[in-house]
Amino acid sequence: QQQVKQSPQSLIVQKGGISIINCAYENTAFDYFPWYQQFPGKGPALLIAIRPDVSEKKEGRFTISFNKSAKQFSLHIMDSQPGDSATYFCAANFGGSQGNLIFGKGTKLSVKP
Amino acid sequence: DVKVTQSSRYLVKRTGEKVFLECVQDMDHENMFWYRQDPGLGLRLIYFSYDVKMKEKGDIPEGYSVSREKKERFSLILESASTNQTSMYLCASLSSGRASYGYTFGSGTRLTVV
Repeated sequence: QQQVKQSPQSLIVQKGGISIINCAYENTAFDYFPWYQQFPGKGPALLIAIRPDVSEKKEGRFTISFNKSAKQFSLHIMDSQPGDSATYFCAANFGGSQGNLIFGKGTKLSVKP
Repeated sequence: DVKVTQSSRYLVKRTGEKVFLECVQDMDHENMFWYRQDPGLGLRLIYFSYDVKMKEKGDIPEGYSVSREKKERFSLILESASTNQTSMYLCASLSSGRASYGYTFGSGTRLTVV
């Protein structure tokens, strides 16, 4: 119930292509869904986040699509660049304002020039 | 910007040693968290704290304890380090305002227990 399932584990995309990473959850009490980007040797950094009252959020080349009925959400990276090569984690929060994130296992994205 | 600082980037400790990992945040956040990150397992919550002197167990608290004597500082303690505690340890601080809600992570401490 508290799991967030993330796929794929790794992804290779050509420069300029679209990268898509998917996550699924079971617990309908989750109330906040962030995506984190992590470069080697660094801590995860918040990339974009969505709350379940909207179906899509876009920030630059990054878009979250959220399907509440299917309990799925995904990250789309448009016009992928080699600098986007990183590990991406989806997460879901069930702790309300006090917060408690459950993370997916991560997707290692490589964007080939 | 919120800053979360972990005192050590790399640590090498011997089996059986008592290990302290320190984390400091500069935004007066009430909520702080310790995660460990392992390949293929993602981030797993060890302990978290909602306020000074308060602590709650996460998913994998065995072999760990924490201390929160001041609001800005959250310490993770390995009572008797073992090789299976070799990992990347990440501290996070939470901004819980609706408009500014979000976690900020430190850069991590890579601990090797030999």
